[in-house]
Parts: sequence; C-alpha cells; structure tokens
Amino acid sequence: AQRVTQPEKLLSVFKGAPVELKCNYSYSGSPELFWYVQYSRQRLQLLLRHISRESIKGFTADLNKGETSFHLKKPFAQEEDSAMYYCALNSGNTPLVFGKGTRLSVIA
Amino acid sequence: DVKVTQSSRYLVKRTGEKVFLECVQDMDHENMFWYRQDPGLGLRLIYFSYDVKMKEKGDIPEGYSVSREKKERFSLILESASTNQTSMYLCASREVGYGYTFGSGTRLTVV
Repeated sequence: AQRVTQPEKLLSVFKGAPVELKCNYSYSGSPELFWYVQYSRQRLQLLLRHISRESIKGFTADLNKGETSFHLKKPFAQEEDSAMYYCALNSGNTPLVFGKGTRLSVIA
Repeated sequence: DVKVTQSSRYLVKRTGEKVFLECVQDMDHENMFWYRQDPGLGLRLIYFSYDVKMKEKGDIPEGYSVSREKKERFSLILESASTNQTSMYLCASREVGYGYTFGSGTRLTVV
C-alpha cells in the first residue's frame, strides 16, 4: 500500500536559517511526488512536483528513490514561508495519498 | 480566477440533519475528490469520481455519500450529521496526469 510519512508535525526555524521538511514514501512502483502548501486562511495549493524539477519561492525538492524520500528544502527561511506543508504521492490514475502535514513556523 | 468553488465557507448544522456540500469546477476536469482535513490527521479521502455518475469510496466513506450528475459538479452528502463529522471539507479536481486544484474549503460544525 502507498504511504507518505512526514515525521515532524511542527518545525520551527529562525528567519534566515535553512529549512528542510522531511517526506518519506512507500511505493513499489515509479512514484510521482508533490508538495502542497496552505498559508493561513488560504486554499491548499501546489508548491512543486518532482517531474518539473523547478524551484518555487526558493524551495526545491529532489526525489531520492534509494532512500524513498522527497524532502523539501530552502536555504534561507522567510517569515512568509510559515504555513502548513503536505507531501503527496501519485501512483498512476489513483487519488493522491497525502502525508499528515508539517506546520512550519519561521521566527523573526 | 477561482477554478474550484465550494458553495459555503462556514456551515453550522444540527446533529441528525442531512447536509449537502457543493463543489463546482470550471476546468472541464474528469476527476473530482472530497477530503476532510483534521489537525494531526492530514487529508483523508472520503469519495472520488472519475466520470459523471461514477463514484468510488475512499478511505473514510462511512456516513457520507456523493452525487455527480454533471461533470462540473460533485456533491458530498452527510446523510445524518454527527458531531464527529465536524471538520474542514476540501474538494479538489484534477486533470489526468497533473496535480490537484483545491477549493477554499467548507468548515462544517455539527452541534
């Protein structure tokens, strides 16, 4: 069965510090991974997907099939990065499987 | 440029009431989904639909049903609302091969 694990419920970092939100997945096939973000009082929105390999708002994520991970990283955290982050797995034409989310709090 | 619209942002209903949550998308997507979002539990799939009049149970379908009479509209129905169904409900649609577009959510409180 597919599973997505985000081990941290809450991550607090200081402004300007590096950020890494962890995501591990369990899937025997070739996965498609996403990161979604939900800012306060806003809808959940796509942050990035591993296929596009792009950097959005300074965030990057690399799919590591050996470690079955898709960690989200940013070198210098900003206060506006404070939000709820969800990692999600797509395995073919099936519904996305989401992790339980990590709340990032960036402290000024 | 809102693309997935949930009809109500906040709802308060009484225990035992039948509740309808409406979701409309204007992107001609075939896939539509209903999730509930609870702190510490993440997003849990209730029902989904890959075509008109088609529906599939997700991980937590008990106490819910859905209706998809038109491609653009996917309704979630709470047959007899209970307090443990107090939650944020999220609707999403998907173009096959891409990620989801979410609605703004409906925060339902059952009293």
